[in-house]
Amino acid sequence: AQSVTQLGSHVSVSEGALVLLRCNYSSSVPPYLFWYVQYPNQGLQLLLKYTSAATLVKGINGFEAEFKKSETSFHLTKPSAHMSDAAEYFCAVTPAQGAQKLVFGQGTRLTINP
Amino acid sequence: GAGVSQSPSNKVTEKGKDVELRCDPISGHTALYWYRQSLGQGLEFLIYFQGNSAPDKSGLPSDRFSAERTGGSVSTLTIQRTQQEDSAVYLCASSSPRGAWNNEQFFGPGTRLTVL
Repeated sequence: AQSVTQLGSHVSVSEGALVLLRCNYSSSVPPYLFWYVQYPNQGLQLLLKYTSAATLVKGINGFEAEFKKSETSFHLTKPSAHMSDAAEYFCAVTPAQGAQKLVFGQGTRLTINP
Repeated sequence: GAGVSQSPSNKVTEKGKDVELRCDPISGHTALYWYRQSLGQGLEFLIYFQGNSAPDKSGLPSDRFSAERTGGSVSTLTIQRTQQEDSAVYLCASSSPRGAWNNEQFFGPGTRLTVL
């Protein structure tokens, strides 16, 4: 069975500050990991994905995430927050092989303060 | 090209009525998924279609829920005898066979269902 835990349902940072959204996973098989972003009243958009290549993954809009197997983590970071980053962020996991359905974390709502 | 589209964007219905939600995947995508997003449960997998294989229905919450995918393209999610707890945003996603192992799913905008 797989599961994802996102620490902090709500994170607030100042514009220009570091963004850190935490994600820990549990998986009995090698996983693929994803971060999705959801802007208000919109669907989910893929930010980045880890698929067993490089452990440091760069995504869109300046975001990146590092896969750390020893810590079972896949935290999302961005060096400098922008007002347009305000949204809800979801970490998700799926097994590298087999069923492809995504298992999502509960989401983290990111607020950017001017 | 066009992304995943869903209709209607909003649906308000009365308790006990049946509803049908439609999903048009990206052309050429053989895999199609339905998820539900609700305040209490977050994002939950409902059902998964891959080509001509039998669908994975393991996420459907009750036998009031069913889904079809006709001709390997359009899918319809049907909820019979709707209940207030069915109120949620229903999201559809599709993925490409070439990306199957990467499982990059492209999501539609969702259908917001409100059961009164």
